[in-house]
Amino acid sequence: DGGITQSPKYLFRKEGQNVTLSCEQNLNHDAMYWYRQDPGQGLRLIYYSQIVNDFQKGDIAEGYSVSREKKESFPLTVTSAQKNPTAFYLCASTLPGFMNTEAFFGQGTRLTVV
Amino acid sequence: GDSVTQMEGPVTLSEEAFLTINCTYTATGYPSLFWYVQYPGEGLQLLLKATKADDKGSNKGFEATYRKETTSFHLEKGSVQVSDSAVYFCALGMNFGNEKLTFGTGTRLTIIP
Repeated sequence: DGGITQSPKYLFRKEGQNVTLSCEQNLNHDAMYWYRQDPGQGLRLIYYSQIVNDFQKGDIAEGYSVSREKKESFPLTVTSAQKNPTAFYLCASTLPGFMNTEAFFGQGTRLTVV
Repeated sequence: GDSVTQMEGPVTLSEEAFLTINCTYTATGYPSLFWYVQYPGEGLQLLLKATKADDKGSNKGFEATYRKETTSFHLEKGSVQVSDSAVYFCALGMNFGNEKLTFGTGTRLTIIP
């Protein structure tokens, strides 16, 4: 079945560590997105990529990095520079020119700093 | 910049009650409008959408009409069920250029039997 897979579902990070969240899709979508979800703040865009080897900063990119070496994969690294990384992270993908189509979301990764 | 303002939650209703969740938006161009739903522990799923003024999106008994004059996209359902308990997000996306979704803060809906 086609879909978008995030892993792991739960992730614990120690202070000062970098961690990488995985996002893989087999929908043949060109565009992929990372959102952060905090209680009472909705979803905020971290990074997005509309094509392989290209990506743009979203509204809250500081302390995060991404890569897009393959169409299917868009990993997110939460660096030690991110001061408050505890949150629920959602990955999404869409076809280009997606305004008339559906954005597909993964199940999310809950990151906790310990 | 573009923004979405959603009705503050949480909202608690009895089964078979009428539901309205308000959503208004600010955009410089001509956006498409969406409602997404998030069930506990899951990602978001598209509930309905409208791509131009006066369009009505509908799905699973939910409806929303794109009102350009009031910049609104309120979600309604005539008779809610316990299974409708979830968090609902209003979102907009611009049709040209900067292709990303902007979300509201979400409204948690709980239906009690």
